[in-house]
Amino acid sequence: QKEVEQNSGPLSVPEGAIASLNCTYSDRVSQSFFWYRQYSGKSPELIMSIYSNGDKEDGRFTAQLNKASQYVSLLIRDSQPSDSATYLCAVGTSYDKVIFGPGTSLSVIP
Amino acid sequence: DAGVIQSPRHEVTEMGQEVTLRCKPISGHDYLFWYRQTMMRGLELLIYFNNNVPIDDSGMPEDRFSAKMPNASFSTLKIQPSEPRDSAVYFCASSLTGNLETQYFGPGTRLLVL
Repeated sequence: QKEVEQNSGPLSVPEGAIASLNCTYSDRVSQSFFWYRQYSGKSPELIMSIYSNGDKEDGRFTAQLNKASQYVSLLIRDSQPSDSATYLCAVGTSYDKVIFGPGTSLSVIP
Repeated sequence: DAGVIQSPRHEVTEMGQEVTLRCKPISGHDYLFWYRQTMMRGLELLIYFNNNVPIDDSGMPEDRFSAKMPNASFSTLKIQPSEPRDSAVYFCASSLTGNLETQYFGPGTRLLVL
């Protein structure tokens, strides 16, 4: 079992819809969770971090964390074509490592 | 600030050659990270430094890889000898605190080993 898994893409949504990106992790004691956006040919950029169970909202982005289910998600409301990118989930593990997921490619169709 | 600077941006070399990747972190950032990204393995942390001292190099794939940070404004990642499986994008990142929240990635070096 991989330490951090993400739903395999590509994920296509129409403009204006909600895009839902999912991530599961294996280290039950993980404490920190991050979402990155990476445009093709560019470096990753941090868009959200979350540390506690529940929801965290920032503009059109909402991160959701459920530690009991070892699950973290990212919702993008009112998706725009400019949101088309690969989204990486990163998890800070109990053994002081940050593990990145393989990424989910999102395409927002105008 | 110019951000994290990496050079070269692209490198094509032949198997067996030595490759040196360079990184200049953001001024004042005490942490420097080297990552590798491939389609097969995703984004992996290779090594990180704090105040120029290597803290964790457990991600370095093998002895062919070495990294140095001779001063606060410069780091190198060297591969000798290079192999085709080393082909990847290598990112350098720096941060104030070591936490991902303060970490900024450089533009990356795209390496192709023939």
